[in-house]
Amino acid sequence: AQSVAQPEDQVNVAEGNPLTVKCTYSVSGNPYLFWYVQYPNRGLQFLLKYITGDNLVKGSYGFEAEFNKSQTSFHLKKPSALVSDSALYFCAVRDRHSGNTPLVFGKGTRLSVIA
Amino acid sequence: DTGVSQDPRHKITKRGQNVTFRCDPISEHNRLYWYRQTLGQGPEFLTYFQNEAQLEKSRLLSDRFSAERPKGSFSTLEIQRTEQGDSAMYLCASSLEGLADHNEQFFGPGTRLTVL
Repeated sequence: AQSVAQPEDQVNVAEGNPLTVKCTYSVSGNPYLFWYVQYPNRGLQFLLKYITGDNLVKGSYGFEAEFNKSQTSFHLKKPSALVSDSALYFCAVRDRHSGNTPLVFGKGTRLSVIA
Repeated sequence: DTGVSQDPRHKITKRGQNVTFRCDPISEHNRLYWYRQTLGQGPEFLTYFQNEAQLEKSRLLSDRFSAERPKGSFSTLEIQRTEQGDSAMYLCASSLEGLADHNEQFFGPGTRLTVL
C-alpha cells in the first residue's frame, strides 16, 4: 500500500529565510511524487513533480524539491520565503508500477511565513 | 476561466436528504477524479473516470454514494440519505493521461457539504 507522511503539521519561517517542508513516502515500487499547495477558498494547485531523472526538481513560484530514494523523501524547499507563500502544502505519491493507482496525499503542512 | 469548476460551492442539508454535486473538468481532459477532504487531512480518493468509464472506487465510497460521467465530460456525485459523517469538502480534479500516467491533476475549488 502507498502512504505519505508529512511529519510537521506547521512550519514557521521568517520572510527571506530558506524554507523546507518535509515529506517521506512508502510504495512497493518506484514512485511518482507531487507537491500541491492549497490557499484559503481555492482549489489545490500543482507545484512540481518527480517522474524520473534529475533528483532536483524545479517548480512554480521558485519552489524545488529533492528526491532521495535511499531516504524515501521528497522535501519541498525554497531559498527565500515570501509572506505570500503562507498556505497549506500537500505531498502526494503514486506507485509507478501498480497500474492506475490513485494519488495518495499526506495530511498537509501549514506554512506560515512571518514578515 | 477554463479550469475545473464545481457546483454548488456550499451545500447545507439535513440528515437523510439526498444531495448531488456537479464537476466540469478541463474540456480536453480524459480523466476525472473525486476526492473527499476533511479538516486537518489531505484529500482522500473516492473514485475516478477514464472518459465515461468508472475505473476504480475506493472502499470509502459506500453504497449511498454514486458517481456518473455519462458523456465523458461533466460528472455528478450523488450522496443518498446523508449522514453527519458525510460533512466534508468534496473535490473534483481532472487530468490528461496517456500511457505514462504521471500527469498532474487540476483541482476545482470544491463543494463544502454540511449535514445537520
